[in-house]
Amino acid sequence: NAGVTQTPKFQVLKTGQSMTLQCAQDMNHNSMYWYRQDPGMGLRLIYYSASEGTTDKGEVPNGYNVSRLNKREFSLRLESAAPSQTSVYFCASSEAGGGRFEKLFFGSGTQLSVL
Amino acid sequence: RKEVEQDPGPFNVPEGATVAFNCTYSNSASQSFFWYRQDCRKEPKLLMSVYSSGNEDGRFTAQLNRASQYISLLIRDSKLSDSATYLCVVNDRTGNKLVFGAGTILRVKS
Repeated sequence: NAGVTQTPKFQVLKTGQSMTLQCAQDMNHNSMYWYRQDPGMGLRLIYYSASEGTTDKGEVPNGYNVSRLNKREFSLRLESAAPSQTSVYFCASSEAGGGRFEKLFFGSGTQLSVL
Repeated sequence: RKEVEQDPGPFNVPEGATVAFNCTYSNSASQSFFWYRQDCRKEPKLLMSVYSSGNEDGRFTAQLNRASQYISLLIRDSKLSDSATYLCVVNDRTGNKLVFGAGTILRVKS
């Protein structure tokens, strides 16, 4: 089973460049999430999508946009990358909904450096 | 105050030792509690959910103390393979999202 697949695994950008992180899950989950993880801090939620066609801001949405393309895919876009966006990004999915939380399945992460 | 706080450690213990971590949370209305494990440079994976009555899974025991707003994880008979970062996860004030603690590092040595 592929589970949650995110690409790329590594990326180096220059300040001001744009890029899209791709994420796809094959578990038919309704909910999908994008997190970032920085040293000494917990995973922080950037955006999430509780169901196909809906997206909501998380704790740190500034500088990012998302698209829930269909039930399987949830992409994260950096329109104009900044050094503060250097981080490890994780996509996740779950069956959560209606205030109920189930196990989160994570992708393997994207290490992004912005110079 | 952070919504979820953990002692970052590291906890350095010998094989076979018993070790316990606590995690405090600020939202008294939180209903969902989890422990995740994260190996170096890998994605987090669910270790166990935490239920009101406490629960056990092999060498791992999780407890919830609502009055003092903390959850705990006890690992008995530590193995080298238990070396990892343990993340405490609680649902947030809105109830709609999960908040991760920064993690506690465990190193088990032979």
